[in-house]
Amino acid sequence: DTGVSQNPRHKITKRGQNVTFRCDPISEHNRLYWYRQTLGQGPEFLTYFQNEAQLEKSRLLSDRFSAERPKGSFSTLEIQRTEQGDSAMYLCASSFTGQNNYGYTFGSGTRLTVV
Amino acid sequence: QQQVKQSPQSLIVQKGGIPIINCAYENTAFDYFPWYQQFPGKGPALLIAIRPDVSEKKEGRFTISFNKSAKQFSLHIMDSQPGDSATYFCAASRTGGGNKLTFGTGTQLKVEL
Repeated sequence: DTGVSQNPRHKITKRGQNVTFRCDPISEHNRLYWYRQTLGQGPEFLTYFQNEAQLEKSRLLSDRFSAERPKGSFSTLEIQRTEQGDSAMYLCASSFTGQNNYGYTFGSGTRLTVV
Repeated sequence: QQQVKQSPQSLIVQKGGIPIINCAYENTAFDYFPWYQQFPGKGPALLIAIRPDVSEKKEGRFTISFNKSAKQFSLHIMDSQPGDSATYFCAASRTGGGNKLTFGTGTQLKVEL
């Protein structure tokens, strides 16, 4: 396993349903990030973890969104009561701190469509 | 508030040409400026990055030029190839900010034969 893995790759859900996405980072990376990307735009920061601690959440992350990273390994992003405006690509990325390397590795994303 | 402005939105060049993509930032606390390449259906991939203590960095066919006083930086792709056709994003982050990246809006590059 040499990359960041995200599942599922695609998710179609009805408005009002709950959805959960999973991210498996590169194993030695201690930081994990969630971004959201809408069509024709750059990714926007949602939240990040250092090990198991969630250190920051963007104002974009409404109370319908929750993220966890139990034991500092994989992470889940849950969206409750989905709305059509939640339709986007949700990207996970990981990185390692402790050295002068700020490079992220992104996963291929989960594309959410809310109908 | 868009903190990183990117232009142009799209660009078409002939094979062998040198596309140039420009970005401007507002936050003077930014101290790390990467460029990402994204193909359809894939996540962004780090291409090259620069810190403000240098004015230019070259890796293979990719060069970043950085102008700290103007708060601008640009990506040049030498000898462009059809395989370079992708969307390119500039980004910026600051030390102590959790390495959160602020991205530009992207440039869709097409390299024609």
